[in-house]
Amino acid sequence: SQKIEQNSEALNIQEGKTATLTCNYTNYSPAYLQWYRQDPGRGPVFLLLIRENEKEKRKERLKVTFDTTLKQSLFHITASQPADSATYLCALEEIYNQGGKLIFGQGTELSVKP
Amino acid sequence: ETGVTQTPRHLVMGMTNKKSLKCEQHLGHNAMYWYKQSAKKPLELMFVYSLEERVENNSVPSRFSPECPNSSHLFLHLHTLQPEDSALYLCASSQGPSGRDNEQFFGPGTRLTVL
Repeated sequence: SQKIEQNSEALNIQEGKTATLTCNYTNYSPAYLQWYRQDPGRGPVFLLLIRENEKEKRKERLKVTFDTTLKQSLFHITASQPADSATYLCALEEIYNQGGKLIFGQGTELSVKP
Repeated sequence: ETGVTQTPRHLVMGMTNKKSLKCEQHLGHNAMYWYKQSAKKPLELMFVYSLEERVENNSVPSRFSPECPNSSHLFLHLHTLQPEDSALYLCASSQGPSGRDNEQFFGPGTRLTVL
């Protein structure tokens, strides 16, 4: 089955720097990949979706890359702010008979210090 | 209300109790989901409903029983739970019938503690 790995250790960076989070996967070739943000005690919030034929996608200070050869996605937050502190989840589709479902990684906790 | 709502937000129950979690989506979506999130573990998909029909059950114990009376409402009925069932239970919805290539919208979750 699909296996997804994200940086298990928390990432601590200084305000203004670029945060880079990694999502690696095995055993499948997903058609798309999604990134979500989750704050403590809250549900995840969708950020970006990137398809297999897209190398890069941007939204404001966020950038996602998708390398299907390396089976890896990188998630970048430029000019990071303390308000960006949260856990970031990547998710891949898994196909079953009647459609698809998302399989989530365990998430990487990001802490941006002022 | 907008988005996806869940009630209650917090629930403490004994192992012999019966309780229900409720989820309502105000987005006109066709698919709804129940997830379990335990500390330091990935979200675990429990149930998927598409157009009110259950299409996926990830081998969840029978002490969890879902119900989807219409496309806007989803319930999770709980009975004779175990302490290891304590977790954050999240409901989500998506536009498409299967969630494929569709972002999911999550509710705030119900923090469940089983004593």
